[in-house]
Amino acid sequence: QAVVTQEPSLTVSPGGTVTLTCGSSTGAVTSGHWPYWFQQKPGRAPTTLIYDTSSKHSWTPARFSGSLLGGKAALTLSGAQPEDEADYYCLLSFSDDWVFGGGTKLTVL
Amino acid sequence: EVQLVESGGGLVQPGGSLRLSCAASGFTFSSPRMHWVRQAPGKGLVWVSRIASDGTPIAYAGSVKGRFTISRDNARSTVYLQMNSLRAEDTAVYHCACQIGGVVYWGRGTLVTVSS
Repeated sequence: QAVVTQEPSLTVSPGGTVTLTCGSSTGAVTSGHWPYWFQQKPGRAPTTLIYDTSSKHSWTPARFSGSLLGGKAALTLSGAQPEDEADYYCLLSFSDDWVFGGGTKLTVL
Repeated sequence: EVQLVESGGGLVQPGGSLRLSCAASGFTFSSPRMHWVRQAPGKGLVWVSRIASDGTPIAYAGSVKGRFTISRDNARSTVYLQMNSLRAEDTAVYHCACQIGGVVYWGRGTLVTVSS
């Protein structure tokens, strides 16, 4: 089974920009993996931020964007806010099976 | 509004069984595939199982194959996870999730603790 990798932790300054990445042990991540990005705050269920690489839900703040970058899926946060401090998980689909990344703990400091 | 509400978790001894339920509302339940995802305390999300809209196909993560069984009752808008031969490493919050229009919706989860 594929292994999906994320940075374990990242720190961003308020108002700053940070990019989280999501790689696959099987090779380059493509749109065919239907990359998802989820945000999870302590004690809460995950919520969908980005789906299908770069599509946003109605509740996704405009400061979040998704893309493919250097063979990985990427989540860019531009203009970080204190409320963006959370765990972020990517999800890739492999023949309809889901594989999550290990998550990135994002600190806004 | 899409709502997923899990129930059935609790404390169980190693080797025991539990049946989780996930009651859905706010959408046409018979349409999307449904998933179970778990999260051990302080750890990340791990996909467990999925079931197609009409009950097949079904898939399981290797760690639960042969021990867990997913099923759904479209008339009751409910998906189930029968968990047998439980191990300490199955301790986690179990979330159900569904994909609608590309978006994944999540329930808050139910805690399963496997301990003697």
